Amino acid sequence: DADVTQTPRNRITKTGKRIMLECSQTKGHDRMYWYRQDPGLGLRLIYYSFDVKDINKGEISDGYSVSRQAQAKFSLSLESAIPNQTALYFCATSDPGQGGAEAFFGQGTRLTVV
Amino acid sequence: GQNIDQPTEMTATEGAIVQINCTYQTSGFNGLFWYQQHAGEAPTFLSYNVLDGLEEKGRFSSFLSRSKGYSYLLLKELQMKDSASYLCAVRDSNYQLIWGAGTKLIIKP
Repeated sequence: DADVTQTPRNRITKTGKRIMLECSQTKGHDRMYWYRQDPGLGLRLIYYSFDVKDINKGEISDGYSVSRQAQAKFSLSLESAIPNQTALYFCATSDPGQGGAEAFFGQGTRLTVV
Repeated sequence: GQNIDQPTEMTATEGAIVQINCTYQTSGFNGLFWYQQHAGEAPTFLSYNVLDGLEEKGRFSSFLSRSKGYSYLLLKELQMKDSASYLCAVRDSNYQLIWGAGTKLIIKP
């Protein structure tokens, strides 16, 4: 089983619909992140959380919200989806206490808003 | 502002050596990471540099010069499976990762 699991893997939704992307991890890391990736652009940070009570906006948080339900779960919501939110979304975790503290990624959710 | 630059695309031949460069300007520096990403898949960690010099890991090596804001990833004995995008990321003074747009590496037989 993957250490960081995202659901769904693929989703097509209509403009104006609310959609939730879920992420769960078994690595025991406190820090979790949501990124989006668009062709030709780097990974862009949407929101991040350093523990259950801590939520922070990233560089592109407008139009998104998150919920940290537990250490292992971090959900991303699009309250009213729009076509330019079509992208590949990644959840990631990290633990700054571990050496290089690299980020571990889920397999991604490909979201299409029509 | 914060900026990470790397070439958009590179082509190399199977069995050869390729060097992918990364230059950065960030608010502080707490390490530089290289990730590999195959199309449609998650990035996977390759290397981490926090001190100047070369880190070698099998066919892959990564170099860092903090004074120059420069790193490179060196891939030796290229294999077809090395065709992927290579992402450079810098951890800034807030311990956030700033990502480059990635370099798409095409390996030809």
